Amino acid sequence: EPEVTQTPSHQVTQMGQEVILRCVPISNHLYFYWYRQILGQKVEFLVSFYNNEISEKSEIFDDQFSVERPDGSNFTLKIRSTKLEDSAMYFCASSEFGTVGYGYTFGSGTRLTVV
Amino acid sequence: GESVGLHLPTLSVQEGDNSIINCAYSNSASDYFIWYKQESGKGPQFIIDIRSNMDKRQGQRVTVLLNKTVKHLSLQIAATQPGDSAVYFCAETGSNYQLIWGAGTKLIIKP
Repeated sequence: EPEVTQTPSHQVTQMGQEVILRCVPISNHLYFYWYRQILGQKVEFLVSFYNNEISEKSEIFDDQFSVERPDGSNFTLKIRSTKLEDSAMYFCASSEFGTVGYGYTFGSGTRLTVV
Repeated sequence: GESVGLHLPTLSVQEGDNSIINCAYSNSASDYFIWYKQESGKGPQFIIDIRSNMDKRQGQRVTVLLNKTVKHLSLQIAATQPGDSAVYFCAETGSNYQLIWGAGTKLIIKP
């Protein structure tokens, strides 16, 4: 079964440093998303991306965050200057038609720890 | 505002028994609801969905019930197995069609 792949699985970074989280969506999917989940809390939407541009973003997705599709397979989330409160699991997701539900597939996540 | 919440943070069930996980939502305009299963160290996995024009939908060993009158959603798992141990999230589509998630219920299976 096709999977969304995220790397690394765990990243530790110093406060103020830049991090790039990487995702390889399912190959025929056209819509890409980032979510985060602070430990023990609910999943929160960050951003959606389609046709090489952001289609929606939440209040969490401020100027410190950016997304990019640098080539035909990767989808990245960059945090410019990390803060302690950025520590969370970050999930990438992709879908073929932009609809939620079956076929909207999540990766296993990257655990980001900011120290 | 829009919000989705769960009644119980942890549910312990004997292996073989049926599990019922509950969820309350506040946005009466939501028209699509999804249950996700999240196993330790993994991303959320789609289990089952239901649209607001239905009140019940069945899958393999799972049933989702929707009561729009009281804005309540439940997930029933029949004959619970050890592999069902996970955190279960309900989610709804808000006005922007993005997922709004509940806080999650941890299902523990007792042998």
